[in-house]
Amino acid sequence: QVQLVDSGGGVVQPGRSLRLSCVASGFTFNSYALHWVRRAPGKGLEWVSVITFDGTNKYYADSVKGRFTISRDNSNNTLFLQMNGLRPEDTAMYYCARDVRGYGPYYMDVWGKGTTVTVSS
Amino acid sequence: SYELTQPPSVSVSPGQTARITCSGDALPKKYAYWYQQKSGQAPVLVIYEDNKRPSGIPERFSGSSSGTMATLTITGAQVEDEADYFCYSTDNSGNPKGVFGGGTKLTVL
Repeated sequence: QVQLVDSGGGVVQPGRSLRLSCVASGFTFNSYALHWVRRAPGKGLEWVSVITFDGTNKYYADSVKGRFTISRDNSNNTLFLQMNGLRPEDTAMYYCARDVRGYGPYYMDVWGKGTTVTVSS
Repeated sequence: SYELTQPPSVSVSPGQTARITCSGDALPKKYAYWYQQKSGQAPVLVIYEDNKRPSGIPERFSGSSSGTMATLTITGAQVEDEADYFCYSTDNSGNPKGVFGGGTKLTVL
């Protein structure tokens, strides 16, 4: 079945880096744009980033631009989020999600279960 | 920047109709989408393109949009519908991005 499995979260000190991964199965990975979305404790969903089906175009929320980098490996059906210069306000559950189209952002129809990132000294 | 505004909370008794609104200046030109997120779970799409229901979503969930406001309606809300609901849309001007509303906590009791 169609599935996204996100991983790579953990506890990290402010200023450090972390890389999240999301492995896809059950669909033609290289046909869809993919997103990262996060939810901080006590807050709502926040859209983070999207990458087009071929990795050509990448877009970011203002809150992470210049610090986070989205990428994908279509040979291994894997999406990544490289997070540098982490701040306490980046603490959240991070979800990968599939766009319904190859060129995003449009909307997301399949979500991973999420991976938790905690930024704390 | 593009914003979507939702009420923080809505409360209904089981069997009543719950309405959750989402307002945004771009909604006359952009579709609204609705996600349900229950505690400890990933979001689930319940309405897309203003008023379409994905397969597997109960018929009691419906959506509408008029002018700058989109509305999610749950007709005959059930206890299991208690969740956070988020509207979503896109801003494709300049730097394309997704935009979520602040979320509405639906209480059914």
